[in-house]
Amino acid sequence: QQQVKQSPQSLIVQKGGISIINCAYENTAFDYFPWYQQFPGKGPALLIAIRPDVSEKKEGRFTISFNKSAKQFSLHIMDSQPGDSATYFCAATAGTASKLTFGTGTRLQVTL
Amino acid sequence: GAGVSQSPSNKVTEKGKDVELRCDPISGHTALYWYRQSLGQGLEFLIYFQGNSAPDKSGLPSDRFSAERTGGSVSTLTIQRTQQEDSAVYLCASSLRVRGMRETQYFGPGTRLLVL
Repeated sequence: QQQVKQSPQSLIVQKGGISIINCAYENTAFDYFPWYQQFPGKGPALLIAIRPDVSEKKEGRFTISFNKSAKQFSLHIMDSQPGDSATYFCAATAGTASKLTFGTGTRLQVTL
Repeated sequence: GAGVSQSPSNKVTEKGKDVELRCDPISGHTALYWYRQSLGQGLEFLIYFQGNSAPDKSGLPSDRFSAERTGGSVSTLTIQRTQQEDSAVYLCASSLRVRGMRETQYFGPGTRLLVL
């Protein structure tokens, strides 16, 4: 059972464009939503995270938008750069249960 | 400082053999996690350690999988009688649990396991 659904599976964006990745969850006990960035041959690294008591969080070119009623959240990468080309995973965790439940990932390619 | 390290980086084995995967967490990190990353499947939780005990083993797919952690540091994931469906990247993560604060899990580079 896929508790966190992520789309699209892959994304191609031109340099300077906006990359948008969407996730939806079912478990209402989830209360923390991190995004991870993974480069080939490396482990995932935390990019940005949000709690459901806010609707948006911005860090540099990266923004998470959160819609609690719809149980959806998304990552926006502004002014996308070739160095942003990586696989992005959304994730969720609930309370003291620290294990991360991941989406299936989005492979982003930013072209020149 | 040093991050999470895993060994071996790659492992090729024959079906039916046992394998051991090692994780060295960041020094001082009390929590340790194992995940499995299969092609197109995202990352799947396997087991969580707090210190040397494993309060959550719910993700281990079968009794062929086991893990231990010693000295609150190094962890070993063992897969007995490997099957071809065990082929995946096995990722280890560690974190420092602080009461009342959300922890950040730091991942190692993974061990790529191929079962022939």
